[in-house]
Amino acid sequence: AQKITQTQPGMFVQEKEAVTLDCTYDTSDQSYGLFWYKQPSSGEMIFLIYQGSYDEQNATEGRYSLNFQKARKSANLVISASQLGDSAMYFCAMRESNNDMRFGAGTRLTVKP
Amino acid sequence: DGGITQSPKYLFRKEGQNVTLSCEQNLNHDAMYWYRQDPGQGLRLIYYSQIVNDFQKGDIAEGYSVSREKKESFPLTVTSAQKNPTAFYLCATKAGWGNQPQHFGDGTRLSIL
Repeated sequence: AQKITQTQPGMFVQEKEAVTLDCTYDTSDQSYGLFWYKQPSSGEMIFLIYQGSYDEQNATEGRYSLNFQKARKSANLVISASQLGDSAMYFCAMRESNNDMRFGAGTRLTVKP
Repeated sequence: DGGITQSPKYLFRKEGQNVTLSCEQNLNHDAMYWYRQDPGQGLRLIYYSQIVNDFQKGDIAEGYSVSREKKESFPLTVTSAQKNPTAFYLCATKAGWGNQPQHFGDGTRLSIL
């Protein structure tokens, strides 16, 4: 069964606007971690933000924030004030208690000038 | 200069040939991982190692082999048994046993001649 689902293969956003990238997950563990990574066209994976399952506050890192809705098992990434350099693939990932990390299929974000 | 070094950046394999992808780290991280990424898709786990001289199969280990003789090094061999090896291969490391993020190398792109 798919552990991480990213339903948006591609998204477009106007420069300086905010965009939300969706991620839902499936786990029966009580303790787990959720991660978002950015992959530019050059291929490297850049860690953006982390949310623990017991964290009560939504995680934020600069222009990135994570909209964590535990009951709905969703962990959407919000990018505020989009920049041209934000154009990339974005991957949602989850680590369960067995320490394995599972990645979603990714969303390609294109920022329009 | 700290980080994860993957080499080579591009690699070509002839039919029936084994090739080895290098991954070296100087972050002093205990855990190391190998992922495969096919075009337009997410990452799939091939092998991982939590400590020296120990490693575990991931979801797609068939046709691959690894070793972990030193903490700094986790080479991946793509054997002739892997019938469709053309892909982008990413090595990652992680510190400790908690929910630290994985850090990635720049990847190796493997193609069949």
